[in-house]
Amino acid sequence: DAGVIQSPRHEVTEMGQEVTLRCKPISGHNSLFWYRQTMMRGLELLIYFNNNVPIDDSGMPEDRFSAKMPNASFSTLKIQPSEPRDSAVYFCASKDSTSTDTQYFGPGTRLTVL
Amino acid sequence: EDKVVQSPLSLVVHEGDTVTLNCSYEVTNFRSLLWYKQEKKAPTFLFMLTSSGIEKKSGRLSSILDKKELFSILNITATQTGDSAVYLCAPGGWTDKLIFGTGTRLQVFP
Repeated sequence: DAGVIQSPRHEVTEMGQEVTLRCKPISGHNSLFWYRQTMMRGLELLIYFNNNVPIDDSGMPEDRFSAKMPNASFSTLKIQPSEPRDSAVYFCASKDSTSTDTQYFGPGTRLTVL
Repeated sequence: EDKVVQSPLSLVVHEGDTVTLNCSYEVTNFRSLLWYKQEKKAPTFLFMLTSSGIEKKSGRLSSILDKKELFSILNITATQTGDSAVYLCAPGGWTDKLIFGTGTRLQVFP
């Protein structure tokens, strides 16, 4: 079975540019989570969806960040405009919330904002 | 406010040693606690614990939960260099969210 798929794996951009990160959850999973990981702050939950509906976006740092899940197999996290302090590894994770608490992580996108 | 504290922050051992990693937590409406291993990539799932006193085992790794005292431990026996990683503890409640600790960085030298 394919795991969680994220793209791109690496992104280097300049301050002020728009960045879009993409995620395909494991087929059949109905919950999707976006995390950000930095050395200083560790692994932080940004937002999560159940059945394509955003449930909790309290971790989204500011209005420059937005996330969508238009269908069960695709989600995006957008940063506009990007800033150097957004540099981090962004992980997407998914789970089947009807049967388990175990979240399965994608390989992550390493974002560098110059 | 929910919180997770892992200790030690860092651990350096030699191959063959046994290590114990600690995780204490305070989570509203606690439901389960998960352990993950993170090498230089994404966290990978190790264990999920929901009941006190029942040890989960996988090879040289084992873990147990104490819901009364609000902590969990992860034991690794006969450590190998491949065990070098950051180990993350993540309790969760009934909201589907996991609260990740800052992790314990384990380095195993030959």
